[in-house]
Formats: sequence, structure tokens, C-alpha cells
Amino acid sequence: AQTVTQSQPEMSVQEAETVTLSCTYDTSESDYYLFWYKQPPSRQMILVIRQEAYKQQNATENRFSVNFQKAAKSFSLKISDSQLGDAAMYFCAYRSLNSGGSNYKLTFGKGTLLTVNP
Amino acid sequence: GAVVSQHPSWVICKSGTSVKIECRSLDFQATTMFWYRQFPKQSLMLMATSNEGSKATYEQGVEKDKFLINHASLTLSTLTVTSAHPEDSSFYICSATRQPNQPQHFGDGTRLSIL
Repeated sequence: AQTVTQSQPEMSVQEAETVTLSCTYDTSESDYYLFWYKQPPSRQMILVIRQEAYKQQNATENRFSVNFQKAAKSFSLKISDSQLGDAAMYFCAYRSLNSGGSNYKLTFGKGTLLTVNP
Repeated sequence: GAVVSQHPSWVICKSGTSVKIECRSLDFQATTMFWYRQFPKQSLMLMATSNEGSKATYEQGVEKDKFLINHASLTLSTLTVTSAHPEDSSFYICSATRQPNQPQHFGDGTRLSIL
């Protein structure tokens, strides 16, 4: 079974600064997806960024980028120019590419609570 | 975009009653829907995977007779918490996907409080 580990329960950053959230995972598969989701106080799950394991290029979405190290099974999220609206719980998630209904389920890490200080 | 609507957003009911939560995909057909449970300050825990027209697949430790899931159409899945008790109080979130291997789109969640 796959596991996702987020070793930072809480992080804080000053507005306009850069912060990196860590995520490691364990899998025996070679093809999979990795995701970062944001959950603000409203508790809505918002997809921030996703990475296909077969792609060597790191995914980028505006101020959000990832550092995907497949061999190390590491998938960190970098938030540049942090804004107050970035304050939320961030979850790292893994999903298999294999067929079969339950194999497409998301496996979530425990989350990192990000605080942005003005 | 892909919109998933979850209803109700918040429900309070007495112990012993049954509560139904709906998850609808508004602008796409969802062959697969997922139901999660989230305790305060914790991660999402998958309860079951629901495929249209077939029985749901429950995760280990989830009581299928307690949490009844129905996915009768391509746009609607329901979760019924039967004979609810205070320990069933939690935040329940659904997600839906066009095909199992495509991104999941999440509903806004339902806060369930059992008195």
C-alpha cells in the first residue's frame, strides 16, 4: 500500500516571502500522479498542482511549483510571493495509474497548516 | 469547469435517526464518486468508492451497513448514515470523476452533528 508523509504539521511564512512544504511517499509503482490540495477554513478542497510521475519536468502553476524527485520519492511544494489568501491546510496526495476502481483512490498525507503573517 | 454540489452543507439531528447526504456532479457525468470522512484538524479518510450502477467498495474498517452508499445515476451518489450516533459526527466530503483515472472534483462537504 502507498503511504504519504508530510513531516511538517505547521509552517509559517511572511507575506511576500517563499515557503516550501515537504512531502515524501512510498510506493512500488513506477507510474502515478502526485497532487497538492489546499483546504482553507471553508474546508473546500482545492487542487493546487499535480505532477505525472513519468514527466521529468516539474509542474508549475503561477506562484506554485513543485520539486519532484522520483528516485528520492519526494514531492515538495514551493509557494512564492506568499499571500494572505494562501493560508490554509495543504495536503499532499498520491494516486495510482493502475486500472481498477479502488486503485484510483487518493492517498492523502496528514497535512501541513500554513500560516501567512502580514 | 467541473462542479460538484453536496447537500446539505450542515445538518444537526438526534441520535438514532438516519441522515442522507447527496453528492451531485452538475456539469459532467461521474462514473466514479468517492466518499471521505474528515475529523477536525486531520486528513481525509476514504470511506468508499462508488461506481455508477454497481455496489460501492468500502475501505477496511468502514461499516457498510452503517454507511449506505448508492450511486444510481451518473450525476448522483448518496451517503446515508443509518441510526446515527454522536460518534458519527464529522465532516463528510464527496468527490466525483468522469473516469476513474481522471482528476477528482470535490464537493464543499457536509458537517454532520449528532446530538
